[in-house]
Amino acid sequence: NAGVMQNPRHLVRRRGQEARLRCSPMKGHSHVYWYRQLPEEGLKFMVYLQKENIIDESGMPKERFSAEFPKEGPSILRIQQVVRGDSAAYFCASSPQQETQYFGPGTRLLVL
Amino acid sequence: DAKTTQPTSMDCAEGRAANLPCNHSTISGNEYVYWYRQIHSQGPQYIIHGLKNNETNEMASLIITEDRKSSTLILPHATLRDTAVYYCIVRVQYYNQGGKLIFGQGTELSVKP
Repeated sequence: NAGVMQNPRHLVRRRGQEARLRCSPMKGHSHVYWYRQLPEEGLKFMVYLQKENIIDESGMPKERFSAEFPKEGPSILRIQQVVRGDSAAYFCASSPQQETQYFGPGTRLLVL
Repeated sequence: DAKTTQPTSMDCAEGRAANLPCNHSTISGNEYVYWYRQIHSQGPQYIIHGLKNNETNEMASLIITEDRKSSTLILPHATLRDTAVYYCIVRVQYYNQGGKLIFGQGTELSVKP
């Protein structure tokens, strides 16, 4: 059983570009969570999604950030007009129902 | 804010047991204690969780006090590869309020040869 997959593993963007981070949950998992880890800081919850629904987006910045988890395909975290402060590691986790969350390897975003 | 308190750092000799404490004095009756670790900024790795009984799996043991206000994660024979930041988290599991994990600063465990 493959684990949570994230791609790309590393992403470099210039200020003002868009970043798209993808997360494929473990087989059988219908719940996806996104977390962000800024340099030298702890992990912070961003958003919780089930298929086609956003359940909790209390940790999402109000502007430029959006997330989706379509009926088919991976979950996408989208950052529009990136700024240097968006440079961070973005981790996705998945779970069956609201049980134990299993994390992916993360996407390291660097904004130049 | 995290509902747990952990020491900032700990050392452990290779081959010895590592005992990582966690205080969660405000834990609610329906909240579980979860432990994760993060090695070299990799994705957090699930270790173990429990409600009130002690738990053991292939990675570790979890000892929860009777009043549930504190717990200890035990790595029975620490190796250099166990060097990581260990996070103790309390969360409601079977309750429809999102289930997000709130990470504190964790304990940085250094296993030394």
